[in-house]
Amino acid sequence: DGGITQSPKYLFRKEGQNVTLSCEQNLNHDAMYWYRQDPGQGLRLIYYSQIVNDFQKGDIAEGYSVSREKKESFPLTVTSAQKNPTAFYLCASTGTGGTNYGYTFGSGTRLTVV
Amino acid sequence: QKEVEQNSGPLSVPEGAIASLNCTYSDRVSQSFFWYRQYSGKSPELIMSIYSNGDKEDGRFTAQLNKASQYVSLLIRDSQPSDSATYLCAVTLNSGGYQKVTFGTGTKLQVIP
Repeated sequence: DGGITQSPKYLFRKEGQNVTLSCEQNLNHDAMYWYRQDPGQGLRLIYYSQIVNDFQKGDIAEGYSVSREKKESFPLTVTSAQKNPTAFYLCASTGTGGTNYGYTFGSGTRLTVV
Repeated sequence: QKEVEQNSGPLSVPEGAIASLNCTYSDRVSQSFFWYRQYSGKSPELIMSIYSNGDKEDGRFTAQLNKASQYVSLLIRDSQPSDSATYLCAVTLNSGGYQKVTFGTGTKLQVIP
């Protein structure tokens, strides 16, 4: 079945540590996105990529980095510069027509600072 | 003013009733409108999209769009306990060649058996 796989499901980060969240899709979608969800807040865009080897900052990119070396993969690194990383992270993709046809989301990664 | 506003709820309805969820948006040139359902601890799932004024029906769900009044609503007929979830409204508009998507904070729906 086609879909988006995020791993791990739960991740614990120590202070000062970088961690990488994985996102893989087999939908043949061109565009991929990373969102962060905090309680009581809407989803906020971190980074997006519309084609391989190209990506753009979203609304809250500080303290995060991404790469897009393959169409299927869009990993997100949460760096030590992100001071409040505890959140639910969602990876999404869109096919032909882009966001006009809505997102397909992965199952999410819940990151906690310990 | 928030770009996309929803009442956080919870909205409680008895089983079998109609649940009405509302969303208002601030940008008049918004183009596409979506409703996502998100169960607790899970990721959002697209359930409805609407692009032009009027109603769009899909099973027990009806999306309604009124661009003049800048609101979009979701009606759930014959509500079931399995409909209990948070419903996110999302709005898309063109911003510098990129179709920006803005989400509301969601309305929590509780269907009481």
